[in-house]
Amino acid sequence: QVQLQESGPGLVKPSETLSLTCSVSGDSMRNFYWTWIRQPPGKGLEWIGNIYFSGTINYAPSLKSRVSISVDTSKKQFSLRLSSVTPADTAVYYCARASGVFDFWGRGILVTVSS
Amino acid sequence: EIVLTQSPGTLSLSPGETATLSCRGSQSVTSNFLAWYQQKPGQAPRLLIYGASTRATGIPDRFSGSGSGTDFTLTISRLEPEDFAVYYCQQYGSSPLFSFGPGTKVDVK
Repeated sequence: QVQLQESGPGLVKPSETLSLTCSVSGDSMRNFYWTWIRQPPGKGLEWIGNIYFSGTINYAPSLKSRVSISVDTSKKQFSLRLSSVTPADTAVYYCARASGVFDFWGRGILVTVSS
Repeated sequence: EIVLTQSPGTLSLSPGETATLSCRGSQSVTSNFLAWYQQKPGQAPRLLIYGASTRATGIPDRFSGSGSGTDFTLTISRLEPEDFAVYYCQQYGSSPLFSFGPGTKVDVK
């Protein structure tokens, strides 16, 4: 059974960079897209981007200028960096495994952007 | 980029009734690569349906999906108390670029 766990700071100041890591256990990272999705409080799901195990990366057009995703398969981790954050970036951030559909998810981590 | 819309925004029903949820794409979803998820408060979404009509592992048969092209439907027959939640559709026809619909909330009437 694949398990994913998000980690990182729960509070980030405006204009700074949000950094999160997702640790994967229970299966190989091969042949899947490793994905970040966020959900502002009380709102819907927003796909942020993903990285294939080999390193190919895709970002949502609306966030492309501020987002960076990387992977370290030796550590079975992948990471998200979102720069120049504002309060509008406050959300629960989920990591997930994708084979087209998102079949395994982390529990999510609430990141609040506030001074 | 395919934009998904869902209707209605909220559906108020009683246990035992049937819920019919709609998801429409701004353009045709390639190969009917359309999935449905259920999300309960404080939890991550759970995959229900993929390929427009195939139930994911462990999903009860009261959940069914249908549709093709731009119009898709999730039907929940004989609503159980645990089915009251928010439901999202998601397209993966433009994989590895993905998008979600805004969600439909099914609440207790």
